[in-house]
Amino acid sequence: KAGVTQTPRYLIKTRGQQVTLSCSPISGHRSVSWYQQTPGQGLQFLFEYFSETQRNKGNFPGRFSGRQFSNSRSEMNVSTLELGDSALYLCASSLFRPGANVLTFGAGSRLTVL
Amino acid sequence: QQQVKQSPQSLIVQKGGISIINCAYENTAFDYFPWYQQFPGKGPALLIAIRPDVSEKKEGRFTISFNKSAKQFSLHIMDSQPGDSATYFCAASSSVERGAQKLVFGQGTRLTINP
Repeated sequence: KAGVTQTPRYLIKTRGQQVTLSCSPISGHRSVSWYQQTPGQGLQFLFEYFSETQRNKGNFPGRFSGRQFSNSRSEMNVSTLELGDSALYLCASSLFRPGANVLTFGAGSRLTVL
Repeated sequence: QQQVKQSPQSLIVQKGGISIINCAYENTAFDYFPWYQQFPGKGPALLIAIRPDVSEKKEGRFTISFNKSAKQFSLHIMDSQPGDSATYFCAASSSVERGAQKLVFGQGTRLTINP
């Protein structure tokens, strides 16, 4: 069974640019969540999608956005990049049913902003 | 009130010893407490999880102890092995607050097992 696939794995951008990251969940998983991981702030929740709808959002500025497609694949976008956006962006998928909180994470997309 | 505080930040244990990592939380709505293990270059992987209706859960060499009244939980790794060297994160979430998938993570503990 294939795991959570994130692309690209590594990317370098400059300030002011925008970036789009992609996530393919485990087959059958309908919930996709995104997290930002930095040495200073640790792992922080960005947002969660289920059935193409955003169910929950973390405390990040509007420059961070996402969407989910009908096949459960998800993308997140960061516009007007800042140096502080350099981080490992992790996608996690899960079954969406009561009591099933188990998140399976991908390896992440490491973004460096210069 | 959303914080989960984890200690220590780093831990060095001899092979065969017991590794203990502690976490504390404030939000009484939290009802799911997982531990994740992360190796360099990989995403976090679920290790073991507990719900507040039990005080202890054991899976192999890994045990979670949970103290609901103190709002604390801990991970014990028995017979620690060099392959256990990784960063460990505790986390919590609340199914009541429509946030079952929204994990609040501790800051992480870098565990090193010396051979």
